[in-house]
Amino acid sequence: EDQVTQSPEALRLQEGESSSLNCSYTVSGLRGLFWYRQDPGKGPEFLFTLYSAGEEKEKERLKATLTKKESFLHITAPKPEDSATYLCAAPNQAGTALIFGKGTTLSVSS
Amino acid sequence: DTAVSQTPKYLVTQMGNDKSIKCEQNLGHDTMYWYKQDSKKFLKIMFSYNNKELIINETVPNRFSPKSPDKAHLNLHINSLELGDSAVYFCASSQQQGMRGYTFGSGTRLTVV
Repeated sequence: EDQVTQSPEALRLQEGESSSLNCSYTVSGLRGLFWYRQDPGKGPEFLFTLYSAGEEKEKERLKATLTKKESFLHITAPKPEDSATYLCAAPNQAGTALIFGKGTTLSVSS
Repeated sequence: DTAVSQTPKYLVTQMGNDKSIKCEQNLGHDTMYWYKQDSKKFLKIMFSYNNKELIINETVPNRFSPKSPDKAHLNLHINSLELGDSAVYFCASSQQQGMRGYTFGSGTRLTVV
């Protein structure tokens, strides 16, 4: 069964305290691994797509990496405005829809 | 200029009623989707439409029916609403079955009382 699992469920950081979020997947023939950010009361906002193991993408304080079995979202020196739920997703085996993980809710305090 | 817009943003209704949620995208995408996000924030695919054809339907009760009058619109009709239907419903769109990511609307919070 196609599945995307994220950990931890929740993460509390102090401003400037770097950390990583994990996303593991069991989708055969992976055709992309997607990261989204969701703020309360809003829809998910696209961050990155990674297509092959070893690929990395960066945006401001965020860096996403991909291995053959998992992806990491590294957050360097986070600020309170980085507080949000981060969602990982992968296309199902048929390629007809994205399967989402349950997300990691990040809280950054000043 | 909103890329994917949903209406209404909030919907409170009684059990047994029939309701609709509308979705429109102005991105020229060829595929649209409906997702349900439950109280634990878990996003689950309900339907997708590609060029006006339903291409997936993930074990959703037949009280839910998507209607796509054209490529830019995908409405969600729900009959005989139940308490368990309370959730946030998100519309999304993509090009080429989403290999460049989906664009989501801001969601419709449905509360059934």
